[in-house]
Amino acid sequence: AQKITQTQPGMFVQEKEAVTLDCTYDTSDPSYGLFWYKQPSSGEMIFLIYQGSYDQQNATEGRYSLNFQKARKSANLVISASQLGDSAMYFCAMRESWMDSSYKLIFGSGTRLLVRP
Amino acid sequence: SQTIHQWPATLVQPVGSPLSLECTVEGTSNPNLYWYRQAAGRGLQLLFYSVGIGQISSEVPQNLSASRPQDRQFILSSKKLLLSDSGFYLCAWQYLEVGTTEAFFGQGTRLTVV
Repeated sequence: AQKITQTQPGMFVQEKEAVTLDCTYDTSDPSYGLFWYKQPSSGEMIFLIYQGSYDQQNATEGRYSLNFQKARKSANLVISASQLGDSAMYFCAMRESWMDSSYKLIFGSGTRLLVRP
Repeated sequence: SQTIHQWPATLVQPVGSPLSLECTVEGTSNPNLYWYRQAAGRGLQLLFYSVGIGQISSEVPQNLSASRPQDRQFILSSKKLLLSDSGFYLCAWQYLEVGTTEAFFGQGTRLTVV
């Protein structure tokens, strides 16, 4: 079964507007972490934001915020005031249980965001 | 500060040839190390991870193998490449501690098997 689901293969947004990229996850582990990465055309993976399963507040990092709805198992990324440089692939990822020493990240299939001028 | 080096950046190899991709980490000790593969336009698939020297776990049965001969060195290999081995290979590392530490990725190797 898919552990991380990103249902939007592609999205468009007008420059300076906000956009929400969806991510749902599946886990029975009470302790987990959720991540968003940006991958520009160069291929590098750029860490954007992290949300822990026990965090009470939604994570924010500059123009990025994570809309964490634990009961719905969703962790949507909100980008405010989109810029042309935000055009890229965006990946949601999950890391389960700190007791698992692998700390491996499981990634979704990604959403390609295109910012229109 | 910590850095991760991955090479080569691009590689074109014929079917049946061997493969060796190398990844090294600087500025940290005893990291967890990972190899991911990304098919064109797709997400990242975890291939191997290592929690210590000589310790390799495979996530997906395949034509590839991994080794960790030194603490900060992780190697991805194949004896005979297949066309299906084409893709973008990313090495990553993480700290072994509880917290918000993200995985750090190398620049990737774009492998084309012809």
